[in-house]
Amino acid sequence: DVKVTQSSRYLVKRTGEKVFLECVQDMDHENMFWYRQDPGLGLRLIYFSYDVKMKEKGDIPEGYSVSREKKERFSLILESASTNQTSMYLCATRQASYEQYFGPGTRLTVT
Amino acid sequence: SQELEQSPQSLIVQEGKNLTINCTSSKTLYGLYWYKQKYGEGLIFLMMLQKGGEEKSHEKITAKLDEKKQQSSLHITASQPSHAGIYLCGAGAWNSGNTPLVFGKGTRLSVIA
Repeated sequence: DVKVTQSSRYLVKRTGEKVFLECVQDMDHENMFWYRQDPGLGLRLIYFSYDVKMKEKGDIPEGYSVSREKKERFSLILESASTNQTSMYLCATRQASYEQYFGPGTRLTVT
Repeated sequence: SQELEQSPQSLIVQEGKNLTINCTSSKTLYGLYWYKQKYGEGLIFLMMLQKGGEEKSHEKITAKLDEKKQQSSLHITASQPSHAGIYLCGAGAWNSGNTPLVFGKGTRLSVIA
């Protein structure tokens, strides 16, 4: 059975803190993606990775970085959290042109 | 860049009624994904359509891909409260299996008794 897990369902952080969001998949998929979802704006791509140690910027990478040291793990890092990064963060994985699966999401609040 | 427009944005139907959600692309559709999302949760994969004219069904949900119209439709037969949620379509360029998907903004479905 497909499994994509995210480290936290809910997270509250203070402005200026460094925040780590972790995504783990057990499907041996090449591609992993980080999106954020906001009302009225839909899903927007932050970063993606098509292989270990490889990363590509998405549409809104500013204020974020990523790390993929192992194939199954893709981390999103907020270097210095700001209130405009309050959002729902969704990780996804996909093998080539096949099904794409999402994790349960992390709702981050920055105060 | 590719954009996906979903219609309607929201829908309220009576339990037992049929409904259709549309997803129209600004560019040629090579493949189309449909997802369902419960409020505050992740996206649940429903179906993926890859070829023009392709039609897939899962329980009471049927999706079709019309390549010429650059459009896909999702049809729910005899809606139930369990069908309520947000439906999103996503698409990617099939000339590269690594291309990220872009998504529509979603259609919010409410099913009332």
